Amino acid sequence: GAVVSQHPSWVICKSGTSVKIECRSLDFQATTMFWYRQFPKQSLMLMATSNEGSKATYEQGVEKDKFLINHASLTLSTLTVTSAHPEDSSFYICSARVPGVNTEAFFGQGTRLTVV
Amino acid sequence: DAKTTQPNSMESNEEEPVHLPCNHSTISGTDYIHWYRQLPSQGPEYVIHGLTSNVNNRMASLAIAEDRKSSTLILHRATLRDAAVYYCILRAIIQGAQKLVFGQGTRLTINP
Repeated sequence: GAVVSQHPSWVICKSGTSVKIECRSLDFQATTMFWYRQFPKQSLMLMATSNEGSKATYEQGVEKDKFLINHASLTLSTLTVTSAHPEDSSFYICSARVPGVNTEAFFGQGTRLTVV
Repeated sequence: DAKTTQPNSMESNEEEPVHLPCNHSTISGTDYIHWYRQLPSQGPEYVIHGLTSNVNNRMASLAIAEDRKSSTLILHRATLRDAAVYYCILRAIIQGAQKLVFGQGTRLTINP
């Protein structure tokens, strides 16, 4: 199957700093990628839809100025958590679909963010 | 958004079949039924999807009710590596984008 890779797998940062997470589609081009957040023992929550060459679409309640998304190419989307606080500590996961009708989604391995 | 309902948890024994149910009574005619699973500390993994007919692949089978208001994921012979949270999702087209909105899923435990 197609491969979606996230980097880093885990990161620890100090409160007030910013952290960038990369999501790459390794063997296909993805015009749309999705970013999720998952807290312990909970399901994935969709944060935003990342669109290549245009602005991301954020879900209700997600602060677009705090979670900056850039989709500069067909194989790379980045999520930057700005001015991180301990409550931003979570498991962040990206996803992309192989172009086509009714295709499945492929997910990155996730990034564990801990803000201290 | 059309929603799905799954049992919070299920338990089975190794090498036995597992039937994971999902109710989606508000499904629309164009919604595909997707199943993903998530192992601990990993991103979700695609399992199978279908529209109306039953589907089989190397991982599992998907049985879809005739009225499409429910479906069942079948793992024919469970192994310990199948222990995961299984999500039944209706792929919805929202504002032109095909989104996958996750519910709570079923936590499957496999006993040796």
